[in-house]
Amino acid sequence: KQEVTQIPAALSVPEGENLVLNCSFTDSAIYNLQWFRQDPGKGLTSLLLIQSSQREQTSGRLNASLDKSSGRSTLYIAASQPGDSATYLCAVKSGGGADGLTFGKGTHLIIQP
Amino acid sequence: GAVVSQHPSWVICKSGTSVKIECRSLDFQATTMFWYRQFPKQSLMLMATSNEGSKATYEQGVEKDKFLINHASLTLSTLTVTSAHPEDSSFYICSARIEANYGYTFGSGTRLTVV
Repeated sequence: KQEVTQIPAALSVPEGENLVLNCSFTDSAIYNLQWFRQDPGKGLTSLLLIQSSQREQTSGRLNASLDKSSGRSTLYIAASQPGDSATYLCAVKSGGGADGLTFGKGTHLIIQP
Repeated sequence: GAVVSQHPSWVICKSGTSVKIECRSLDFQATTMFWYRQFPKQSLMLMATSNEGSKATYEQGVEKDKFLINHASLTLSTLTVTSAHPEDSSFYICSARIEANYGYTFGSGTRLTVV
Protein backbone atom coordinates (compact mmCIF):
# COMPACT_ATOMS: atom_id res chain seq x y z
CA LYS A 1 0.00 0.00 0.00
CA GLN A 2 1.37 3.38 -1.01
CA GLU A 3 2.28 5.74 1.81
CA VAL A 4 3.27 9.38 1.42
CA THR A 5 5.24 11.29 4.03
CA GLN A 6 5.90 15.02 4.12
CA ILE A 7 8.63 16.71 6.10
CA PRO A 8 8.55 19.07 7.88
CA ALA A 9 4.99 19.03 9.22
CA ALA A 10 5.22 22.75 9.89
CA LEU A 11 7.59 25.53 8.95
CA SER A 12 7.74 29.22 9.83
CA VAL A 13 10.27 31.47 8.10
CA PRO A 14 10.80 35.19 7.48
CA GLU A 15 9.67 36.68 4.22
CA GLY A 16 12.20 36.48 1.39
CA GLU A 17 13.77 33.16 2.28
CA ASN A 18 14.10 30.30 -0.16
CA LEU A 19 12.72 27.06 1.22
CA VAL A 20 12.37 23.37 0.43
CA LEU A 21 9.49 21.09 1.27
CA ASN A 22 10.06 17.35 1.15
CA CYS A 23 7.84 14.47 0.10
CA SER A 24 8.63 10.76 0.07
CA PHE A 25 6.61 7.79 -1.09
CA THR A 26 7.06 4.09 -0.42
CA ASP A 27 6.11 2.55 -3.78
CA SER A 28 8.14 3.95 -6.66
CA ALA A 29 5.70 2.58 -9.26
CA ILE A 30 3.88 5.87 -9.62
CA TYR A 31 2.15 7.38 -12.63
CA ASN A 32 2.66 10.97 -11.57
CA LEU A 33 3.09 13.24 -8.55
CA GLN A 34 1.20 16.44 -7.90
CA TRP A 35 1.79 19.30 -5.47
CA PHE A 36 -1.21 21.21 -4.15
CA ARG A 37 -1.81 24.22 -1.98
CA GLN A 38 -4.67 24.28 0.54
CA ASP A 39 -5.76 27.43 2.34
CA PRO A 40 -7.65 27.03 5.65
CA GLY A 41 -11.13 25.61 5.12
CA LYS A 42 -10.71 25.66 1.36
CA GLY A 43 -10.25 23.21 -1.47
CA LEU A 44 -7.04 22.32 -3.23
CA THR A 45 -5.22 24.37 -5.83
CA SER A 46 -2.92 22.43 -8.11
CA LEU A 47 0.59 23.88 -8.23
CA LEU A 48 2.69 21.46 -10.24
CA LEU A 49 2.19 18.07 -11.87
CA ILE A 50 5.20 15.87 -12.62
CA GLN A 51 4.77 12.81 -14.79
CA SER A 52 6.81 9.74 -13.85
CA SER A 53 9.08 10.24 -16.86
CA GLN A 54 9.93 13.82 -15.86
CA ARG A 55 12.56 15.07 -13.45
CA GLU A 56 11.19 18.50 -12.63
CA GLN A 57 8.56 21.12 -13.33
CA THR A 58 8.67 24.87 -12.81
CA SER A 59 5.99 27.51 -12.42
CA GLY A 60 7.04 31.02 -11.46
CA ARG A 61 8.79 30.88 -8.08
CA LEU A 62 7.98 27.20 -7.64
CA ASN A 63 10.12 24.30 -8.74
CA ALA A 64 9.30 20.66 -8.07
CA SER A 65 11.70 17.79 -8.62
CA LEU A 66 11.04 14.09 -8.77
CA ASP A 67 13.43 11.21 -8.10
CA LYS A 68 11.17 8.28 -8.77
CA SER A 69 13.72 5.56 -8.04
CA SER A 70 14.40 6.86 -4.55
CA GLY A 71 10.77 7.76 -3.91
CA ARG A 72 11.34 11.46 -3.30
CA SER A 73 10.08 14.81 -4.45
CA THR A 74 10.93 18.31 -3.33
CA LEU A 75 9.06 21.57 -3.75
CA TYR A 76 11.33 24.60 -3.85
CA ILE A 77 9.82 28.02 -3.17
CA ALA A 78 12.01 30.97 -4.06
CA ALA A 79 11.79 34.38 -2.42
CA SER A 80 8.91 33.45 -0.16
CA GLN A 81 6.08 35.92 0.45
CA PRO A 82 3.40 36.15 3.17
CA GLY A 83 0.83 35.13 0.53
CA ASP A 84 2.59 31.79 0.25
CA SER A 85 1.35 30.89 3.73
CA ALA A 86 -0.80 27.76 3.37
CA THR A 87 -0.65 24.00 3.72
CA TYR A 88 1.23 22.29 0.91
CA LEU A 89 0.16 18.77 0.00
CA CYS A 90 2.02 16.18 -2.00
CA ALA A 91 0.00 13.45 -3.73
CA VAL A 92 0.92 10.51 -5.91
CA LYS A 93 -1.07 8.58 -8.43
CA SER A 94 0.09 5.01 -8.24
CA GLY A 95 0.41 2.83 -11.29
CA GLY A 96 -1.04 -0.64 -11.68
CA GLY A 97 -4.56 0.50 -12.41
CA ALA A 98 -5.17 2.04 -8.99
CA ASP A 99 -7.06 5.27 -9.33
CA GLY A 100 -7.37 8.32 -7.13
CA LEU A 101 -4.50 9.95 -5.27
CA THR A 102 -2.59 9.10 -2.10
CA PHE A 103 -1.86 12.22 -0.07
CA GLY A 104 0.69 13.15 2.53
CA LYS A 105 -0.42 15.02 5.65
CA GLY A 106 1.01 18.23 4.32
CA THR A 107 3.46 20.90 5.40
CA HIS A 108 1.88 23.88 7.15
CA LEU A 109 3.88 26.89 6.01
CA ILE A 110 3.86 30.33 7.61
CA ILE A 111 5.79 33.18 6.02
CA GLN A 112 6.37 35.97 8.50
CA PRO A 113 6.11 39.53 7.12
CA GLY B 1 -10.17 25.35 -17.63
CA ALA B 2 -10.98 22.10 -15.81
CA VAL B 3 -12.99 23.67 -13.00
CA VAL B 4 -14.94 21.62 -10.49
CA SER B 5 -17.72 23.30 -8.55
CA GLN B 6 -18.82 21.83 -5.22
CA HIS B 7 -21.90 22.78 -3.17
CA PRO B 8 -22.69 23.51 -0.47
CA SER B 9 -19.48 24.89 1.00
CA TRP B 10 -20.72 24.22 4.48
CA VAL B 11 -23.74 22.55 6.08
CA ILE B 12 -24.97 21.92 9.59
CA CYS B 13 -27.50 19.16 10.08
CA LYS B 14 -29.17 17.30 12.89
CA SER B 15 -28.12 13.80 13.80
CA GLY B 16 -30.16 11.23 11.88
CA THR B 17 -30.84 13.37 8.83
CA SER B 18 -29.31 13.02 5.37
CA VAL B 19 -27.17 15.53 3.52
CA LYS B 20 -26.44 15.72 -0.21
CA ILE B 21 -23.26 17.25 -1.61
CA GLU B 22 -22.97 18.08 -5.31
CA CYS B 23 -19.88 18.13 -7.46
CA ARG B 24 -20.04 19.52 -11.01
CA SER B 25 -17.44 19.73 -13.73
CA LEU B 26 -18.08 23.11 -15.34
CA ASP B 27 -16.12 23.12 -18.57
CA PHE B 28 -15.29 19.51 -19.21
CA GLN B 29 -16.83 16.07 -19.02
CA ALA B 30 -15.74 13.89 -16.12
CA THR B 31 -16.36 10.19 -16.58
CA THR B 32 -14.66 9.60 -13.24
CA MET B 33 -14.91 11.64 -10.07
CA PHE B 34 -13.47 10.98 -6.66
CA TRP B 35 -14.69 11.72 -3.14
CA TYR B 36 -12.25 12.39 -0.30
CA ARG B 37 -12.67 13.06 3.40
CA GLN B 38 -10.29 15.12 5.50
CA PHE B 39 -10.26 15.21 9.30
CA PRO B 40 -8.52 18.10 11.09
CA LYS B 41 -4.75 18.03 10.67
CA GLN B 42 -4.98 14.82 8.67
CA SER B 43 -4.39 14.06 5.04
CA LEU B 44 -7.14 13.59 2.50
CA MET B 45 -8.38 10.01 2.39
CA LEU B 46 -10.01 8.61 -0.71
CA MET B 47 -13.51 7.37 0.08
CA ALA B 48 -14.82 6.25 -3.29
CA THR B 49 -14.47 6.51 -7.04
CA SER B 50 -17.56 7.63 -8.87
CA ASN B 51 -18.06 6.30 -12.39
CA GLU B 52 -20.59 7.81 -14.76
CA GLY B 53 -23.40 5.38 -15.48
CA SER B 54 -22.19 2.64 -13.16
CA LYS B 55 -21.81 1.84 -9.50
CA ALA B 56 -19.24 3.63 -7.42
CA THR B 57 -16.18 1.83 -6.13
CA TYR B 58 -15.66 2.25 -2.39
CA GLU B 59 -12.38 2.09 -0.49
CA GLN B 60 -11.95 -0.44 2.26
CA GLY B 61 -13.71 0.60 5.44
CA VAL B 62 -16.13 3.04 3.78
CA GLU B 63 -19.78 2.06 4.19
CA LYS B 64 -21.47 2.22 0.80
CA ASP B 65 -24.95 2.29 2.34
CA LYS B 66 -24.03 5.29 4.43
CA PHE B 67 -22.25 7.26 1.74
CA LEU B 68 -24.44 7.02 -1.35
CA ILE B 69 -22.80 8.15 -4.57
CA ASN B 70 -24.64 8.90 -7.78
CA HIS B 71 -22.93 9.86 -11.04
CA ALA B 72 -25.83 10.05 -13.47
CA SER B 73 -24.27 12.44 -15.96
CA LEU B 74 -20.85 13.34 -17.28
CA THR B 75 -20.83 16.58 -15.33
CA LEU B 76 -22.45 15.75 -11.99
CA SER B 77 -21.63 13.45 -9.10
CA THR B 78 -23.43 13.57 -5.76
CA LEU B 79 -22.51 12.23 -2.33
CA THR B 80 -25.32 11.68 0.15
CA VAL B 81 -24.43 11.12 3.77
CA THR B 82 -27.36 9.14 5.12
CA SER B 83 -28.46 9.10 8.75
CA ALA B 84 -25.61 11.39 9.66
CA HIS B 85 -23.98 11.19 13.07
CA PRO B 86 -21.54 13.54 14.81
CA GLU B 87 -18.61 11.29 13.86
CA ASP B 88 -19.43 12.00 10.20
CA SER B 89 -18.52 15.63 10.76
CA SER B 90 -15.61 16.29 8.44
CA PHE B 91 -14.43 18.13 5.35
CA TYR B 92 -15.59 16.38 2.17
CA ILE B 93 -13.99 17.25 -1.13
CA CYS B 94 -14.55 15.99 -4.65
CA SER B 95 -12.11 15.69 -7.50
CA ALA B 96 -12.12 14.94 -11.20
CA ARG B 97 -9.39 13.53 -13.35
CA ILE B 98 -8.13 15.58 -16.26
CA GLU B 99 -7.87 13.04 -19.03
CA ALA B 100 -5.34 15.01 -21.06
CA ASN B 101 -2.50 14.73 -18.55
CA TYR B 102 -3.92 12.54 -15.80
CA GLY B 103 -3.74 15.37 -13.32
CA TYR B 104 -6.57 16.02 -10.91
CA THR B 105 -8.63 19.10 -10.16
CA PHE B 106 -10.51 19.59 -6.92
CA GLY B 107 -13.69 21.25 -5.75
CA SER B 108 -13.68 23.80 -2.94
CA GLY B 109 -14.87 21.28 -0.37
CA THR B 110 -17.85 20.97 1.99
CA ARG B 111 -17.57 21.36 5.74
CA LEU B 112 -20.18 19.06 7.30
CA THR B 113 -21.09 19.49 10.95
CA VAL B 114 -23.57 17.07 12.47
CA VAL B 115 -25.13 18.19 15.74
